Amino acid sequence: QSVLTQPPSVSAAPGQKVTISCSGSSSNIGNNYVSWYHQLPGTAPKLLIYENNKRPSGIPDRFSGSKSGTSATLGITGLQTGDEADYYCGTWDSSLSAGVFGGGTKLTVL
Amino acid sequence: EVQLVESGGDLIQYGGSLRLSCAASGFSVSSNYMTWVRQAPAKGLAWVSVLSSGGDTYYADSVKGRFTISRDNSKNTLYLQMNSLGAEDTAVYYCTRGRLSTSGFDYWGQGTLVTVSS
Repeated sequence: QSVLTQPPSVSAAPGQKVTISCSGSSSNIGNNYVSWYHQLPGTAPKLLIYENNKRPSGIPDRFSGSKSGTSATLGITGLQTGDEADYYCGTWDSSLSAGVFGGGTKLTVL
Repeated sequence: EVQLVESGGDLIQYGGSLRLSCAASGFSVSSNYMTWVRQAPAKGLAWVSVLSSGGDTYYADSVKGRFTISRDNSKNTLYLQMNSLGAEDTAVYYCTRGRLSTSGFDYWGQGTLVTVSS
């Protein structure tokens, strides 16, 4: 059971938009920055979003992040088949004094 | 160019010990937060431990007392000493630069596989 809650899977058609939610509490998302990662099969995860809504260099603006209260959301527009991957949210939990991840969401582009 | 290369993963018996290494290039390990993240087979990501630039360390409850994170500044290398290994420690271990409390993990190694067998 992960500290952060993500839907196990989401799906959408190519070109469409999808959102992935990440729900936590005041000890983690509510008072710390959220980052998002995607992981293609057999590869290491890659940073998509940091500090809630910032994109690292090289990440297209099709990817966006937001945070409200104790929840965060990753948005992906203009879906491509290459976006099919597992997506994870992560943050620090001040009560645990430990990092925490969501359980991951598998994105299928139909 | 920033690069992280892990090594040391192996098939190890239950109760045994192993030390993972992460050789960094393109930046200084001593000036950055460095974190170990693991992923059990067909499972999600799990945060393991972080070493701050100031030398502070934090551990997941599941490894506290058994794992020790450290670095060798002269070799620009991060380590994870793992003792009293159990089946639940079987995973790919990733070395990362950064911390979840702020900017996240901007660089990841390729991972090294630790398999604990009984």
